[in-house]
Amino acid sequence: AQSVAQPEDQVNVAEGNPLTVKCTYSVSGNPYLFWYVQYPNRGLQFLLKYITGDNLVKGSYGFEAEFNKSQTSFHLKKPSALVSDSALYFCAVTFPSTSGTYKYIFGTGTRLKVLA
Amino acid sequence: GAVVSQHPSWVICKSGTSVKIECRSLDFQATTMFWYRQFPKQSLMLMATSNEGSKATYEQGVEKDKFLINHASLTLSTLTVTSAHPEDSSFYICSVPAGGTASYEQYFGPGTRLTVT
Repeated sequence: AQSVAQPEDQVNVAEGNPLTVKCTYSVSGNPYLFWYVQYPNRGLQFLLKYITGDNLVKGSYGFEAEFNKSQTSFHLKKPSALVSDSALYFCAVTFPSTSGTYKYIFGTGTRLKVLA
Repeated sequence: GAVVSQHPSWVICKSGTSVKIECRSLDFQATTMFWYRQFPKQSLMLMATSNEGSKATYEQGVEKDKFLINHASLTLSTLTVTSAHPEDSSFYICSVPAGGTASYEQYFGPGTRLTVT
């Protein structure tokens, strides 16, 4: 079965320190990879994606992620964490589609807490 | 990004009753919408794909007679939980594909929390 794993339920980091939220995937084919963030009472918001090209992708709010095909990973990183980054982060994969309908497979989410 | 709204944001209903949740794409038309269910500390599970002008496509294990989906227009999809039971209590989220080629992004609604007593 195809799956996405986020091995850490929660990550705590001090403000100003670098942060990493891990994501690995087990799928067949060549997936497209995404990170979304969920704040309380708000819908999931797109952060960044890897479709093709440079393995290091940069996204919103200073976040970046590196696609590593050999390790089947797509870890989310930020050089300096802010308290406002505290939220629930989801990794997701999907696949190329010619129909315009593309389904996501989500990881279980990682709660990031940035401590002042 | 596009704005997707859901109504209500939370609802409490009694066991055995039905409840309807609306998902609206406020600033662009959507022939497809997705419905997810989110359990505490768990992933978003895709329930079904709502298709304007045709029947919804349900994921394996989702009871189509229990979770009725109607894509009434290009901006509205509804999910009706029929004969709700406490185990149906959950957070229901809809999303709309961003559209365009090579995007593959989705715009998500804020979710609806359903509590069945």
